[in-house]
Amino acid sequence: GAVVSQHPSWVICKSGTSVKIECRSLDFQATTMFWYRQFPKQSLMLMATSNEGSKATYEQGVEKDKFLINHASLTLSTLTVTSAHPEDSSFYICSARTTGTRNSPLHFGNGTRLTVT
Amino acid sequence: DQQVKQNSPSLSVQEGRISILNCDYTNSMFDYFLWYKKYPAEGPTFLISISSIKDKNEDGRFTVFLNKSAKHLSLHIVPSQPGDSAVYFCAATPNAGGTSYGKLTFGQGTILTVHP
Repeated sequence: GAVVSQHPSWVICKSGTSVKIECRSLDFQATTMFWYRQFPKQSLMLMATSNEGSKATYEQGVEKDKFLINHASLTLSTLTVTSAHPEDSSFYICSARTTGTRNSPLHFGNGTRLTVT
Repeated sequence: DQQVKQNSPSLSVQEGRISILNCDYTNSMFDYFLWYKKYPAEGPTFLISISSIKDKNEDGRFTVFLNKSAKHLSLHIVPSQPGDSAVYFCAATPNAGGTSYGKLTFGQGTILTVHP
């Protein structure tokens, strides 16, 4: 079945540095990918929609200059957390939908645990 | 404003019995609903979905029921197995199949524990 690979699975960084998270669709093309964030004991919250070849669209309250999204190909989207702060520590998960498939389930990556010290 | 609510944070059942997980929503624009299973430090795994034109969808041990008038859906697992122990999220999206599909709104999750 369709697989979404996310890398790294966990990362620890110092405050003020930037971290890049990759999301790849392994056996299908994904024109659209979605980035979610989950804080401890809370639900997954959609951060942004990543569109291949165009700018990402961000949900209300998500800083686009802080969370840079690049979707340069049909199989890869990246999320860069710039100038990370401890409050950015969270579990980041990407998901992807296959192109032109109605009602197909979203496939999720295994997530990236970010800890900012 | 929590548009998708799972009011039971946890559920404990005996192996072999039925597990019923509930979910309520408030947004009338939602027309496609999904259930995901999630283990700690992993991404959600798709279980089953239902379109608003249906009131029931069954896949093996998993059945999802949708009551549109009550804006309520439930996931039934029968028989429950210890391997089913996980966090279960319901999610909803408007405009199924359209450009909005994939913009899921998740509930808070219910921790299911199935005892041997």
